[in-house]
Amino acid sequence: SQTIHQWPATLVQPVGSPLSLECTVEGTSNPNLYWYRQAAGRGLQLLFYSVGIGQISSEVPQNLSASRPQDRQFILSSKKLLLSDSGFYLCAWSAGPTAVNQPQHFGDGTRLSIL
Amino acid sequence: GNSVTQMEGPVTLSEEAFLTINCTYTATGYPSLFWYVQYPGEGLQLLLKATKADDKGSNKGFEATYRKETTSFHLEKGSVQVSDSAVYFCALSEREYGNKLVFGAGTILRVKS
Repeated sequence: SQTIHQWPATLVQPVGSPLSLECTVEGTSNPNLYWYRQAAGRGLQLLFYSVGIGQISSEVPQNLSASRPQDRQFILSSKKLLLSDSGFYLCAWSAGPTAVNQPQHFGDGTRLSIL
Repeated sequence: GNSVTQMEGPVTLSEEAFLTINCTYTATGYPSLFWYVQYPGEGLQLLLKATKADDKGSNKGFEATYRKETTSFHLEKGSVQVSDSAVYFCALSEREYGNKLVFGAGTILRVKS
């Protein structure tokens, strides 16, 4: 069966420090991968998605970037964190890239606090 | 563009009460529809799905029927438990490159014993 792992579960970082959050998927090949942010409430904001190695689409211009160095690895990064980057970050995968109307499956999330 | 509208919360019910959370959507084409649940401090879990008109998705006592004529996908449960307290998200798939989902804002459900 497929599983998705995100780490770390919680992170406290000072303003201006770098960031690297990692997400890996097991048990499937060629997944679509997604990064979301959920800030201080319940709404989900799609940040990035990827349909293949090295292919990243950005949904919202911001202080963050994403990379996909391997088929089942998705990394969210920042060179200098801002206070506004605080939030709950979720990684997800779905069958892809030719599958349509498929559900996404989420990791357990990373709670990021910026001080 | 595509959109999903959920009823405002929080919804507060007593244990064993009947639950309805309304969800309506706007979409071109024929999206699939989903309900996700998020327990405190956790990621989202897929609760149920429906892929075409008149399909009924069901799981763990929850049901939702894909109504194309009313563009709705309301979530129902006959008897809620305290353990059902969570945030519920309605979502639709965009039949396009990247298989993206459009989410509603979420509805908080609180069940009292």
